Amino acid sequence: GIQVEQSPPDLILQEGANSTLRCNFSDSVNNLQWFHQNPWGQLINLFYIPSGTKQNGRLSATTVATERYSLLYISSSQTTDSGVYFCAVAGTYKYIFGTGTRLKVLA
Amino acid sequence: DSGVTQTPKHLITATGQRVTLRCSPRSGDLSVYWYQQSLDQGLQFLIQYYNGEERAKGNILERFSAQQFPDLHSELNLSSLELGDSALYFCASSMTVTGELFFGEGSRLTVL
Repeated sequence: GIQVEQSPPDLILQEGANSTLRCNFSDSVNNLQWFHQNPWGQLINLFYIPSGTKQNGRLSATTVATERYSLLYISSSQTTDSGVYFCAVAGTYKYIFGTGTRLKVLA
Repeated sequence: DSGVTQTPKHLITATGQRVTLRCSPRSGDLSVYWYQQSLDQGLQFLIQYYNGEERAKGNILERFSAQQFPDLHSELNLSSLELGDSALYFCASSMTVTGELFFGEGSRLTVL
């Protein structure tokens, strides 16, 4: 089956810093999404991005499907950005999640 | 609010018992997924339904079963519960088989 790897596994930032999270996948996929799991456990949709680049405020994402990776950029990080960021890729019938990047933003 | 409703939000039960978790998908979504997240772990895919039919199965234990009803809501049944079944169980829905996924708030199960 498809393997999904995320890096780095853990990240600590000072408020205001920028960061790049990476998602590598082992096979061609139909879709790709980025999620943020907040400290209360809720999974928030960030981007639905099978290919190309999208931006939403301080966050942006790029997926290069032909090279099997996606990047999530967080600029001017805030303490509310803390939590776990998951990448999920869809094969034929199901979404497979990466192990996540745990982000802590310090005030 | 994603539009996906899960009940109950919290559940505490004893080993050996059986529980049922319920999920109502977003209006118009035909596909329902179930995921399990143990403490500080990633999301493990359990099972997927599309318009009432099972479409994909993950590492779902034989003690667990699920179904999607004609009104498209889904139930996940967990039986002969063990301590290791304590986890957050998420339901998600999408319009198509691998369309954009939207998650409910999860059902937190504690087995004592």
